[in-house]
Amino acid sequence: DAGVIQSPRHEVTEMGQEVTLRCKPISGHNSLFWYRQTMMRGLELLIYFNNNVPIDDSGMPEDRFSAKMPNASFSTLKIQPSEPRDSAVYFCASSPSAGYNEQFFGPGTRLTVL
Amino acid sequence: AQSVSQHNHHVILSEAASLELGCNYSYGGTVNLFWYVQYPGQHLQLLLKYFSGDPLVKGIKGFEAEFIKSKFSFNLRKPSVQWSDTAEYFCAVNDVGAGSYQLTFGKGTKLSVIP
Repeated sequence: DAGVIQSPRHEVTEMGQEVTLRCKPISGHNSLFWYRQTMMRGLELLIYFNNNVPIDDSGMPEDRFSAKMPNASFSTLKIQPSEPRDSAVYFCASSPSAGYNEQFFGPGTRLTVL
Repeated sequence: AQSVSQHNHHVILSEAASLELGCNYSYGGTVNLFWYVQYPGQHLQLLLKYFSGDPLVKGIKGFEAEFIKSKFSFNLRKPSVQWSDTAEYFCAVNDVGAGSYQLTFGKGTKLSVIP
């Protein structure tokens, strides 16, 4: 199994630009999670999906952030417009089923907003 | 609010020393417990997990953790660390009673092992 795939691995952009992060979960996994990791705040859950439906987006910092999961094999996290304080590593994780809580993490996308 | 506390921000040990990293959580009900490790520049990987049964859980690479329900703790241990154990370690908790799939992570403990 290829594991959770994220792209790009690194993204450098300028303030005000739109950023789209992509995630392909492990095949057959029904739950998908987006996390943000920073030195100051540690690992924070932004949003998670179950069977492609957003269940809890209370961790999304503000309206500039949005996430979609159009099908079971793909999810995006979009930031528009981006700001320097959005600089962080964004991880995607997936989990096999609703009752199975081990999460498998992707390699992350390191985002730098100048 | 429910929370996970890791008391040590940074631990420095010499090779062969014993390791214990503390983790406490504030949930009152049934929980699933995890330790993840993040090697420098890499993603999080599962070290071990506790769902039920024997409270002493053995994981990969010689790590183990003990769930003490009365103390709301799930401390990670290793009898003899190696330089390759240098990494950041995260404790995580899932509140089974809430019916949520979320994991709440602690802030992490950086472990530096000196050769």
